[in-house]
Amino acid sequence: RKEVEQDPGPFNVPEGATVAFNCTYSNSASQSFFWYRQDCRKEPKLLMSVYSSGNEDGRFTAQLNRASQYISLLIRDSKLSDSATYLCAATNTGNQFYFGTGTSLTVIP
Amino acid sequence: DTGVSQDPRHKITKRGQNVTFRCDPISEHNRLYWYRQTLGQGPEFLTYFQNEAQLEKSRLLSDRFSAERPKGSFSTLEIQRTEQGDSAMYLCASSKALLRVGMNTQYFGPGTRLTVL
Repeated sequence: RKEVEQDPGPFNVPEGATVAFNCTYSNSASQSFFWYRQDCRKEPKLLMSVYSSGNEDGRFTAQLNRASQYISLLIRDSKLSDSATYLCAATNTGNQFYFGTGTSLTVIP
Repeated sequence: DTGVSQDPRHKITKRGQNVTFRCDPISEHNRLYWYRQTLGQGPEFLTYFQNEAQLEKSRLLSDRFSAERPKGSFSTLEIQRTEQGDSAMYLCASSKALLRVGMNTQYFGPGTRLTVL
């Protein structure tokens, strides 16, 4: 079983919509979680980190559910510029980070 | 621009040749990671350094791959006798070790795209 799993999508949503992605992790010892955004043929860029129950930054909200071992990312009022692949990552010691395969989002005008 | 740089950005080589990539992390970051990413996949962990010590190495890393970080600053990743299956984006990331275990945020460089013909 993979350490981190994501629904690859694609998610196609209209501009202004709210969209949510889930990411499950298998190692209950995982302590820190991250959402990255990756544009085509570019490097991942940090979007949010999640250490406790959740984090919010503008239109983006990340939540952690330790009991069910998943993290979610909610994007409100989607913009065309939000179109990208969203990667989640987990680590327990900070020595190894495990990434999901990414979820593809396309925001349609 | 996160401050992590990688060189070269693109490399085309013939099967059987050796290649070497360089990563310069953010200056105050003592942790450095190498990843490989292929199309449709997330970054796959290869190896990790804390200062100059290589502390973790993926079981997926064959003996054709070697990485160094001789002075705890920049790092090199060498692939010997390249194979077509080595074609991928090689990403470097760095972070600063914090007291709270796991609270290390990684910042990625732009990557080196390797094509093996």
